[in-house]
Amino acid sequence: AQRVTQPEKLLSVFKGAPVELKCNYSYSGSPELFWYVQYSRQRLQLLLRHISRESIKGFTADLNKGETSFHLKKPFAQEEDSAMYYCALSGSSNTGKLIFGQGTTLQVKP
Amino acid sequence: DTAVSQTPKYLVTQMGNDKSIKCEQNLGHDTMYWYKQDSKKFLKIMFSYNNKELIINETVPNRFSPKSPDKAHLNLHINSLELGDSAVYFCASTTPGLGYNEQFFGPGTRLTVL
Repeated sequence: AQRVTQPEKLLSVFKGAPVELKCNYSYSGSPELFWYVQYSRQRLQLLLRHISRESIKGFTADLNKGETSFHLKKPFAQEEDSAMYYCALSGSSNTGKLIFGQGTTLQVKP
Repeated sequence: DTAVSQTPKYLVTQMGNDKSIKCEQNLGHDTMYWYKQDSKKFLKIMFSYNNKELIINETVPNRFSPKSPDKAHLNLHINSLELGDSAVYFCASTTPGLGYNEQFFGPGTRLTVL
């Protein structure tokens, strides 16, 4: 079964602290993995995708197939990073269907 | 502005009523989706249309009927609204199979059923 698990509903850190938002997935084939972010009162938007292996707004995520994980990391959190973060999996290139995790709210305190 | 737009942004209605939410994208994508975000912020896919054809239908009650008049529009009609239908409904679009599946989302429609 295709599944994405984000074990933390809320992650609260102080500004400047490192951040790691956890994501584990279950998929039998070769998945495409994404992180989407939803800032307050804004629409959901793509933050990162594993195939591009890029750093966006200081965030990085590495696909670990052995651990079936795609954790999102940032070395120094900023207040503007406060948002809801969703890990998502796409297992079908034909339909583009996304399966989302439950979401993690990141709260960065001053 | 190139984007995915939804109307209305807010919808408050009584149980038992029938309502529609409209979605339009001008990104030239050929696949569109409806997602439901419940009160716990869990996002779940409901439907997908590719070039006006239904390609995903995820165990959604048949009170929900999507309609795609053309590939730029995907509307959601809901009959006999129930309290449990209260949620935020997001439309999204993409063109799958181009190497990645980034989806572009609309701003959401907050439906409240009283």
